[in-house]
Amino acid sequence: DGGITQSPKYLFRKEGQNVTLSCEQNLNHDAMYWYRQDPGQGLRLIYYSQIVNDFQKGDIAEGYSVSREKKESFPLTVTSAQKNPTAFYLCASSISEGTGGYEQYFGPGTRLTVT
Amino acid sequence: GQNIDQPTEMTATEGAIVQINCTYQTSGFNGLFWYQQHAGEAPTFLSYNVLDGLEEKGRFSSFLSRSKGYSYLLLKELQMKDSASYLCAVKDSNYQLIWGAGTKLIIKP
Repeated sequence: DGGITQSPKYLFRKEGQNVTLSCEQNLNHDAMYWYRQDPGQGLRLIYYSQIVNDFQKGDIAEGYSVSREKKESFPLTVTSAQKNPTAFYLCASSISEGTGGYEQYFGPGTRLTVT
Repeated sequence: GQNIDQPTEMTATEGAIVQINCTYQTSGFNGLFWYQQHAGEAPTFLSYNVLDGLEEKGRFSSFLSRSKGYSYLLLKELQMKDSASYLCAVKDSNYQLIWGAGTKLIIKP
């Protein structure tokens, strides 16, 4: 079965700690994305990657970092520099960035709570 | 700035029809997507419009007017399982998706 997996589903951390959220896809998609979802707001793009070993900042990249060492994997690190890290984090992938109606496929999400 | 507007919440009755509107102001337009998201779950793709007109897919239809910056999602024969949030997203001139805040649809028996 092809799809995107994110783990864990719930994550609790103390303030000041870095935490890494995993995202793996076996859809053979080139493009991968990280979004943050807060109540009453649309999805906000954190980082995206169109190809291995390359990624670009989205609208709210400050306090986050990513890597794309393999096509299948796009982990997100929430650093202690992120002022308000508690949120629902969604990873997505698509065949490619750019033209065409290529929809994004989403993972189940990770709900991060930082206290 | 770029902006996508959707009603925050709508209520409809099981078996009825509901129309969820989306208006957008973006830098460029390369297509509009509708997604469904059940509470606590991932969004799932419903439809894609890039040309003006109506796209029908079973009980769901989506309409686009590029000149008016307007789209709607039409849900027919509503079922309880249609209770969810419906997200409108526009692909801008940089091929980035700009997301609306979503419309929470409540279905009553």
